Amino acid sequence: NAGVTQTPKFQVLKTGQSMTLQCAQDMNHEYMSWYRQDPGMGLRLIHYSVGAGITDQGEVPNGYNVSRSTTEDFPLRLLSAAPSQTSVYFCASSYFADRRLAGGPTGELFFGEGSRLTVL
Amino acid sequence: GQQLNQSPQSMFIQEGEDVSMNCTSSSIFNTWLWYKQDPGEGPVLLIALYKAGELTSNGRLTAQFGITRKDSFLNISASIPSDVGIYFCAGPRGTGANNLFFGTGTRLTVIP
Repeated sequence: NAGVTQTPKFQVLKTGQSMTLQCAQDMNHEYMSWYRQDPGMGLRLIHYSVGAGITDQGEVPNGYNVSRSTTEDFPLRLLSAAPSQTSVYFCASSYFADRRLAGGPTGELFFGEGSRLTVL
Repeated sequence: GQQLNQSPQSMFIQEGEDVSMNCTSSSIFNTWLWYKQDPGEGPVLLIALYKAGELTSNGRLTAQFGITRKDSFLNISASIPSDVGIYFCAGPRGTGANNLFFGTGTRLTVIP
């Protein structure tokens, strides 16, 4: 079972460069999201999607773009990297909350292993 | 924005000891979740709580949903080396249960 797969695991960028963090899930989850993890701050929501073609902003969306063309994939784009975007990025997926009626707890996000990004 | 404060920030304990940590919120939650992050991995759900006052166990882990709905507690009994990691509390943002606020985390180190 692959679950949630993130690539790359590590990346170093220079200020102003662009890149895309890839995320794919094979669990047919409707919901996907991106979080960033910084020391002492927990995980903060960047963007999320409730299905193909639908995306919305989370708590810290500035500097990031997303799209959801398929159920499986949810890439995160940095158009012009800044040192403040140095962080560990996690992709997560889940069923919608009401799917717990058919089994599966509310709020159970399945996370990838993370992508560590350094912007110089 | 929403603040979920966890304490302590870090703990160093001897193997076999019990552990207690808590999470407080500036506002009410209807669901409390506890996640664990192993070193180099993404968080994994440990326990979900849905009702004020609820006490739920998962093996050596026990979590409680505070009656004020602004706090939650996690206890680990008889700690073992694989308990090492960061423990996060979390609660839903808004009315949906999929978007979560995460706490600041408690880093646990178990000394064999």
